[in-house]
Amino acid sequence: GQSLEQPSEVTAVEGAIVQINCTYQTSGFYGLSWYQQHDGGAPTFLSYNALDGLEETGRFSSFLSRSDSYGYLLLQELQMKDSASYFCAVRDLNTGGFKTIFGAGTRLFVKA
Amino acid sequence: EPEVTQTPSHQVTQMGQEVILRCVPISNHLYFYWYRQILGQKVEFLVSFYNNEISEKSEIFDDQFSVERPDGSNFTLKIRSTKLEDSAMYFCASSEQRDSYEQYFGPGTRLTVT
Repeated sequence: GQSLEQPSEVTAVEGAIVQINCTYQTSGFYGLSWYQQHDGGAPTFLSYNALDGLEETGRFSSFLSRSDSYGYLLLQELQMKDSASYFCAVRDLNTGGFKTIFGAGTRLFVKA
Repeated sequence: EPEVTQTPSHQVTQMGQEVILRCVPISNHLYFYWYRQILGQKVEFLVSFYNNEISEKSEIFDDQFSVERPDGSNFTLKIRSTKLEDSAMYFCASSEQRDSYEQYFGPGTRLTVT
């Protein structure tokens, strides 16, 4: 089966940098994605890593180490609007990549 | 910018009733998904759909659930006999290709079973 672990919540101050970690177990790894979800809203895609290393998209970066089954999302220059839940997700290659499994989510609180 | 739409935004139904949740994926997308999220919990995969058939389904997606693409634009999720535990937010998503890692989510339908 598949499982993902991420911290339940993180608090940081405006302007700071925060890292949200994710460890995963899956029999057929096909890539690690990150989604943002504001209260009452839909998940919104942020980033994806299929290969080891860092992917940067503006203030957001995501890192993957396949040998460690570990990834993280890095948010820089935090803004109040970044307060949301962040989910890591893996796609299961064993099912042709059609099944996406989400972690339980990390609630980020950004304080002034 | 193209987006996934879902109707209704909120559906209230009595236990045992059938409900149909509707989605219009992005027009050039070929892969469609349903997810559910119980309040305060994680997003759970239900089913993926491609070429007019189910590609993969989770253990949640039992015989009470079915999906259909009745025409070229709509994608529906039917729950035949709703249970209290079916109360959740149901999200539809679509992606352009199987290998496309980015799934576009609709705004969701909040289903309340009383």
